[in-house]
Amino acid sequence: DVKVTQSSRYLVKRTGEKVFLECVQDMDHENMFWYRQDPGLGLRLIYFSYDVKMKEKGDIPEGYSVSREKKERFSLILESASTNQTSMYLCASSGLWTGRLTDTQYFGPGTRLTVL
Amino acid sequence: DQQVKQNSPSLSVQEGRISILNCDYTNSMFDYFLWYKKYPAEGPTFLISISSIKDKNEDGRFTVFLNKSAKHLSLHIVPSQPGDSAVYFCAAPWAGSNYKLTFGKGTLLTVNP
Repeated sequence: DVKVTQSSRYLVKRTGEKVFLECVQDMDHENMFWYRQDPGLGLRLIYFSYDVKMKEKGDIPEGYSVSREKKERFSLILESASTNQTSMYLCASSGLWTGRLTDTQYFGPGTRLTVL
Repeated sequence: DQQVKQNSPSLSVQEGRISILNCDYTNSMFDYFLWYKKYPAEGPTFLISISSIKDKNEDGRFTVFLNKSAKHLSLHIVPSQPGDSAVYFCAAPWAGSNYKLTFGKGTLLTVNP
């Protein structure tokens, strides 16, 4: 079974703090993703990475950065946390897309971040 | 511009009845669609998918139907069970992307005992 783990389930930070969210996958997947989920807005892609040290912006990258130094680990960084970054953060990974019906992204359990 | 739309934020059905969750899309280049299920405080889990060359895919109680001319897909759950209560997202890979998915906003399904 694919396992995607996230460093924290719940996190409370203060405005202006630097926040690190860590994600680790154990399936040697090439692709890793960071999303945030907010009520009424669904899942929105923040950043993704298709290889070590490679990254691309998603739909809402402002206020975030990412790091992928090792294939299995993808970090999301909030340089200076703000209250509007209070959200559920979800990490996902996937292998190479082959067009088969089993192609999918595998998600971690999520981190509920509250910025006060 | 949202390319995958779920216009019903919520749906409530009785246990044992059919649940039908709908999804519309605008990009005719999508060739693959997925449904995910999400419980509170958990990550989404893959449920079922369908290729654009098919019009139906079935897996146990779950069936996805695709109507390409209408750019519409639906997820049927028969019979519905209380454990099916969750948020359901439809998604499609961005055409030509590196496996990025675009998601609908989700539909909260509540199955009442």
